[in-house]
Amino acid sequence: SQTIHQWPATLVQPVGSPLSLECTVEGTSNPNLYWYRQAAGRGLQLLFYSVGIGQISSEVPQNLSASRPQDRQFILSSKKLLLSDSGFYLCAWMGRGPEKLFFGSGTQLSVL
Amino acid sequence: QQQVKQSPQSLIVQKGGIPIINCAYENTAFDYFPWYQQFPGKGPALLIAIRPDVSEKKEGRFTISFNKSAKQFSLHIMDSQPGDSATYFCAASKNDYKLSFGAGTTVTVRA
Repeated sequence: SQTIHQWPATLVQPVGSPLSLECTVEGTSNPNLYWYRQAAGRGLQLLFYSVGIGQISSEVPQNLSASRPQDRQFILSSKKLLLSDSGFYLCAWMGRGPEKLFFGSGTQLSVL
Repeated sequence: QQQVKQSPQSLIVQKGGIPIINCAYENTAFDYFPWYQQFPGKGPALLIAIRPDVSEKKEGRFTISFNKSAKQFSLHIMDSQPGDSATYFCAASKNDYKLSFGAGTTVTVRA
Protein backbone atom coordinates (compact mmCIF):
# COMPACT_ATOMS: atom_id res chain seq x y z
CA SER A 1 0.00 0.00 0.00
CA GLN A 2 1.04 3.56 -0.57
CA THR A 3 2.17 5.80 2.28
CA ILE A 4 3.33 9.37 2.47
CA HIS A 5 5.80 10.63 5.04
CA GLN A 6 6.17 14.27 5.95
CA TRP A 7 8.44 15.78 8.56
CA PRO A 8 8.86 17.46 10.92
CA ALA A 9 5.40 17.61 12.47
CA THR A 10 6.05 21.00 14.07
CA LEU A 11 8.68 23.62 13.49
CA VAL A 12 9.41 26.99 15.08
CA GLN A 13 11.79 29.18 13.13
CA PRO A 14 12.97 32.77 13.51
CA VAL A 15 12.31 35.30 10.78
CA GLY A 16 15.10 35.27 8.20
CA SER A 17 16.13 31.68 8.82
CA PRO A 18 16.12 29.02 6.08
CA LEU A 19 13.52 26.28 5.70
CA SER A 20 13.55 22.75 4.39
CA LEU A 21 10.52 20.48 4.62
CA GLU A 22 10.75 17.00 3.18
CA CYS A 23 8.13 14.62 1.90
CA THR A 24 8.54 11.09 0.61
CA VAL A 25 6.06 8.65 -0.88
CA GLU A 26 6.29 4.88 -0.71
CA GLY A 27 4.53 2.18 -2.62
CA THR A 28 4.03 3.99 -5.91
CA SER A 29 6.11 5.23 -8.79
CA ASN A 30 6.00 8.44 -10.79
CA PRO A 31 3.33 10.10 -8.64
CA ASN A 32 2.23 13.69 -9.03
CA LEU A 33 3.41 15.53 -5.92
CA TYR A 34 2.00 18.66 -4.33
CA TRP A 35 2.71 21.20 -1.60
CA TYR A 36 -0.26 22.97 -0.05
CA ARG A 37 -0.41 25.60 2.68
CA GLN A 38 -3.30 26.04 5.05
CA ALA A 39 -3.42 29.25 7.05
CA ALA A 40 -5.28 29.16 10.37
CA GLY A 41 -8.98 28.79 9.68
CA ARG A 42 -8.44 29.07 5.96
CA GLY A 43 -8.67 26.79 2.97
CA LEU A 44 -6.01 24.86 1.11
CA GLN A 45 -3.72 26.90 -1.11
CA LEU A 46 -1.75 25.03 -3.74
CA LEU A 47 1.86 26.20 -3.70
CA PHE A 48 3.72 23.82 -6.02
CA TYR A 49 3.11 20.64 -7.95
CA SER A 50 5.38 18.27 -9.82
CA VAL A 51 4.63 15.67 -12.49
CA GLY A 52 8.18 14.28 -12.57
CA ILE A 53 11.77 14.58 -11.39
CA GLY A 54 13.01 18.12 -11.76
CA GLN A 55 9.63 19.36 -13.03
CA ILE A 56 8.15 21.99 -10.72
CA SER A 57 5.15 24.23 -11.35
CA SER A 58 4.59 27.20 -9.09
CA GLU A 59 1.03 28.29 -8.46
CA VAL A 60 1.63 31.33 -6.29
CA PRO A 61 4.69 33.62 -6.50
CA GLN A 62 6.21 33.84 -3.06
CA ASN A 63 9.17 33.38 -0.80
CA LEU A 64 9.21 29.62 -1.19
CA SER A 65 10.65 27.15 -3.69
CA ALA A 66 10.27 23.43 -4.30
CA SER A 67 12.47 20.70 -5.68
CA ARG A 68 12.04 17.07 -6.66
CA PRO A 69 15.46 15.44 -6.65
CA GLN A 70 14.07 11.88 -6.75
CA ASP A 71 10.89 10.30 -8.08
CA ARG A 72 9.23 10.01 -4.68
CA GLN A 73 10.84 12.92 -2.83
CA PHE A 74 9.51 16.47 -2.73
CA ILE A 75 11.19 19.29 -0.82
CA LEU A 76 9.85 22.71 0.14
CA SER A 77 12.47 25.35 0.86
CA SER A 78 13.02 28.96 1.70
CA LYS A 79 16.23 30.95 1.98
CA LYS A 80 14.77 33.50 4.40
CA LEU A 81 11.48 32.94 6.19
CA LEU A 82 8.92 35.71 6.63
CA LEU A 83 6.28 36.01 9.33
CA SER A 84 3.67 35.43 6.64
CA ASP A 85 5.15 32.00 5.89
CA SER A 86 3.59 30.64 9.09
CA GLY A 87 0.97 28.00 8.47
CA PHE A 88 0.18 24.32 8.14
CA TYR A 89 2.08 22.80 5.22
CA LEU A 90 0.76 19.69 3.58
CA CYS A 91 2.43 17.40 1.11
CA ALA A 92 0.20 15.27 -1.10
CA TRP A 93 0.46 12.76 -3.92
CA MET A 94 -1.85 11.75 -6.71
CA GLY A 95 -1.56 8.55 -8.67
CA ARG A 96 -2.13 8.31 -12.41
CA GLY A 97 -5.81 8.02 -13.26
CA PRO A 98 -8.64 9.30 -11.03
CA GLU A 99 -7.80 12.53 -9.27
CA LYS A 100 -7.56 11.08 -5.77
CA LEU A 101 -5.28 13.21 -3.67
CA PHE A 102 -3.63 11.68 -0.60
CA PHE A 103 -2.25 14.03 2.02
CA GLY A 104 0.54 13.68 4.52
CA SER A 105 0.07 14.51 8.17
CA GLY A 106 1.33 18.06 7.75
CA THR A 107 3.95 20.36 9.27
CA GLN A 108 2.87 23.20 11.53
CA LEU A 109 5.34 26.01 10.87
CA SER A 110 5.53 29.01 13.17
CA VAL A 111 7.78 31.86 12.14
CA LEU A 112 8.53 34.18 15.05
CA GLN B 1 -9.69 33.90 -7.42
CA GLN B 2 -11.47 31.03 -5.75
CA GLN B 3 -12.95 28.67 -8.29
CA VAL B 4 -15.08 26.82 -5.76
CA LYS B 5 -17.15 28.76 -3.24
CA GLN B 6 -18.12 26.92 -0.06
CA SER B 7 -20.64 27.82 2.63
CA PRO B 8 -21.22 28.09 5.50
CA GLN B 9 -17.86 28.75 7.13
CA SER B 10 -18.97 26.87 10.23
CA LEU B 11 -22.03 25.18 11.64
CA ILE B 12 -23.12 23.50 14.82
CA VAL B 13 -25.69 20.71 15.04
CA GLN B 14 -26.98 18.40 17.71
CA LYS B 15 -26.23 14.69 17.56
CA GLY B 16 -28.52 13.08 15.04
CA GLY B 17 -28.96 16.28 13.06
CA ILE B 18 -28.10 16.69 9.37
CA PRO B 19 -25.41 19.26 8.66
CA ILE B 20 -25.49 20.44 5.05
CA ILE B 21 -22.53 22.06 3.33
CA ASN B 22 -22.92 23.78 -0.01
CA CYS B 23 -20.47 24.45 -2.81
CA ALA B 24 -20.79 26.32 -6.08
CA TYR B 25 -18.52 26.50 -9.10
CA GLU B 26 -18.33 28.44 -12.35
CA ASN B 27 -16.03 26.40 -14.57
CA THR B 28 -18.17 23.99 -16.58
CA ALA B 29 -15.02 22.03 -17.48
CA PHE B 30 -14.93 20.60 -13.95
CA ASP B 31 -15.86 16.92 -14.05
CA TYR B 32 -14.86 15.54 -10.67
CA PHE B 33 -16.13 16.77 -7.31
CA PRO B 34 -14.62 15.25 -4.15
CA TRP B 35 -15.15 16.05 -0.50
CA TYR B 36 -12.36 15.86 2.04
CA GLN B 37 -12.57 15.55 5.81
CA GLN B 38 -9.90 17.01 8.07
CA PHE B 39 -9.46 16.49 11.80
CA PRO B 40 -7.41 19.01 13.81
CA GLY B 41 -3.68 18.65 13.27
CA LYS B 42 -4.11 16.09 10.49
CA GLY B 43 -4.05 16.15 6.73
CA PRO B 44 -7.36 16.02 4.85
CA ALA B 45 -8.63 12.62 3.74
CA LEU B 46 -10.89 11.81 0.81
CA LEU B 47 -14.42 11.19 2.06
CA ILE B 48 -16.61 10.80 -1.00
CA ALA B 49 -16.62 12.00 -4.60
CA ILE B 50 -19.05 12.38 -7.49
CA ARG B 51 -18.95 12.88 -11.24
CA PRO B 52 -21.52 15.08 -13.02
CA ASP B 53 -23.27 12.17 -14.72
CA VAL B 54 -25.13 11.36 -11.48
CA SER B 55 -27.23 13.57 -9.24
CA GLU B 56 -26.62 11.82 -5.95
CA LYS B 57 -24.12 9.49 -4.33
CA LYS B 58 -24.29 7.87 -0.91
CA GLU B 59 -21.54 6.26 1.13
CA GLY B 60 -22.66 5.28 4.59
CA ARG B 61 -24.05 8.36 6.32
CA PHE B 62 -22.52 10.76 3.79
CA THR B 63 -24.45 11.89 0.71
CA ILE B 64 -23.45 14.19 -2.13
CA SER B 65 -26.19 15.93 -4.07
CA PHE B 66 -25.18 17.37 -7.43
CA ASN B 67 -27.07 19.92 -9.53
CA LYS B 68 -25.29 20.31 -12.84
CA SER B 69 -27.56 23.03 -14.23
CA ALA B 70 -27.12 25.16 -11.12
CA LYS B 71 -23.42 24.30 -10.88
CA GLN B 72 -23.84 23.42 -7.24
CA PHE B 73 -23.15 20.41 -5.08
CA SER B 74 -23.64 19.70 -1.41
CA LEU B 75 -22.66 17.28 1.33
CA HIS B 76 -25.22 15.93 3.79
CA ILE B 77 -24.17 14.06 6.91
CA MET B 78 -27.06 11.87 8.05
CA ASP B 79 -27.52 11.00 11.73
CA SER B 80 -24.45 13.06 12.60
CA GLN B 81 -22.26 11.95 15.48
CA PRO B 82 -19.74 13.83 17.64
CA GLY B 83 -16.99 11.92 15.82
CA ASP B 84 -18.05 13.69 12.61
CA SER B 85 -16.85 16.99 14.07
CA ALA B 86 -14.19 18.10 11.60
CA THR B 87 -13.48 20.55 8.81
CA TYR B 88 -14.93 19.58 5.44
CA PHE B 89 -13.60 20.77 2.10
CA CYS B 90 -15.28 20.51 -1.25
CA ALA B 91 -13.14 20.49 -4.36
CA ALA B 92 -13.37 20.32 -8.13
CA SER B 93 -11.11 19.12 -10.90
CA LYS B 94 -11.09 19.15 -14.70
CA ASN B 95 -8.85 16.14 -15.16
CA ASP B 96 -5.68 18.22 -15.11
CA TYR B 97 -4.27 16.73 -11.91
CA LYS B 98 -5.07 19.85 -9.90
CA LEU B 99 -7.88 20.20 -7.43
CA SER B 100 -9.48 23.55 -6.65
CA PHE B 101 -10.60 23.54 -3.02
CA GLY B 102 -13.34 25.46 -1.25
CA ALA B 103 -12.49 27.46 1.87
CA GLY B 104 -13.70 24.75 4.23
CA THR B 105 -16.55 24.33 6.70
CA THR B 106 -15.98 23.52 10.34
CA VAL B 107 -18.72 21.19 11.57
CA THR B 108 -19.34 20.71 15.27
CA VAL B 109 -21.70 17.96 16.38
CA ARG B 110 -22.78 18.33 19.99
CA ALA B 111 -23.67 15.27 22.03
